Amino acid sequence: DGGITQSPKYLFRKEGQNVTLSCEQNLNHDAMYWYRQDPGQGLRLIYYSQIVNDFQKGDIAEGYSVSREKKESFPLTVTSAQKNPTAFYLCASSPGTSATEQFFGPGTRLTVL
Amino acid sequence: AQSVTQLDSQVPVFEEAPVELRCNYSSSVSVYLFWYVQYPNQGLQLLLKYLSGSTLVKGINGFEAEFNKSQTSFHLRKPSVHISDTAEYFCAVSDGGTYKYIFGTGTRLKVLA
Repeated sequence: DGGITQSPKYLFRKEGQNVTLSCEQNLNHDAMYWYRQDPGQGLRLIYYSQIVNDFQKGDIAEGYSVSREKKESFPLTVTSAQKNPTAFYLCASSPGTSATEQFFGPGTRLTVL
Repeated sequence: AQSVTQLDSQVPVFEEAPVELRCNYSSSVSVYLFWYVQYPNQGLQLLLKYLSGSTLVKGINGFEAEFNKSQTSFHLRKPSVHISDTAEYFCAVSDGGTYKYIFGTGTRLKVLA
């Protein structure tokens, strides 16, 4: 089955630690995205990538980093510089034009202890 | 910059009653519109999309939406809701020619028995 997988589903982190969230897709999509979701705020774009080895900052990139070394993978690192990292993180992909929908993974809930 | 407004943060409705969830977007030369549904602790699933053509779009689970260019609206409707429709609904827009999608803040639909 084609789709997007995110792991882990739940993640706990101590303050001051970096943590990496995994996102893998087997849909052969060119574009991939990371969103942060907080109650009442909808989805806010962190980073997106249109092609391998290239990515752009979204609206709330501070304290986050990404890489896109393979077409199917787009990991997100939440660094210690992110002041309020507790949130639900969603990864998405799309074929690479704006005239198509995005496909979403199941999400990772990150909690900072 | 493109923006999306979902006017209602919460909509309670009795089972088998009709419902309308409102979405307005800022004007753009070309725009593609989407409605997604999210169940608790899950990713987003596409309900329907408007790319071009007929302004009345039918989606999954009996939902439909009407694109109104003059009012820059894309309201979601269902003639008779079920308990299982209880979820959060997001309206989204993508600008023609970009890879970015803008999401509204979501409307929480609660269907009452």
